[in-house]
Amino acid sequence: GAGVSQSPSNKVTEKGKDVELRCDPISGHTALYWYRQSLGQGLEFLIYFQGNSAPDKSGLPSDRFSAERTGGSVSTLTIQRTQQEDSAVYLCASSRTSGSGTGELFFGEGSRLTVL
Amino acid sequence: LAKTTQPISMDSYEGQEVNITCSHNNIATNDYITWYQQFPSQGPRFIIQGYKTKVTNEVASLFIPADRKSSTLSLPRVSLSDTAVYYCLVGARYNQGGKLIFGQGTELSVKP
Repeated sequence: GAGVSQSPSNKVTEKGKDVELRCDPISGHTALYWYRQSLGQGLEFLIYFQGNSAPDKSGLPSDRFSAERTGGSVSTLTIQRTQQEDSAVYLCASSRTSGSGTGELFFGEGSRLTVL
Repeated sequence: LAKTTQPISMDSYEGQEVNITCSHNNIATNDYITWYQQFPSQGPRFIIQGYKTKVTNEVASLFIPADRKSSTLSLPRVSLSDTAVYYCLVGARYNQGGKLIFGQGTELSVKP
């Protein structure tokens, strides 16, 4: 597609349920990032993928959070046993890792998660 | 990783020039400086990138002194639509090394 696509755009769930958030990056972008943004806050790094590998998972806040990427493309962020503090906007970004441009991050519109 | 420090908020009026400075004292030799703009309910988007001296595009200018320990984003003649949060990011142009950490950002409020 033309840009980074995230789904769902909005998700309301009950505490204790599992949720899956999907990111479809720009074709050809080998790097993929997940960030979390709580209301009125900055961008909190969660995880970075290079291809299908995640060399940096250091930002995942707990073992309830996991992510995978398949085919060097689509990524899924899974939150198990959701808690109210997980409520936030989850942003995905992708970028090239070589070339002659800026290497800038292209962000999706985010998935807004509300845990009741 | 180069840590960045920016003012948390700034106020301006329409038509004024706005300068937002970012400090990055431990910037590495191969690091570039990239600025992003984020509107409410949207993901950040790229504004400008530079390595040294001055870069200008149709949206902004970026001034980087010789020691590269800071950078200044300059927005000429701001309008109400420039109200947003501006983030300074320091890292390799093509990151292959892992996390990219955004600072807290500067919330710019432009008033009529």
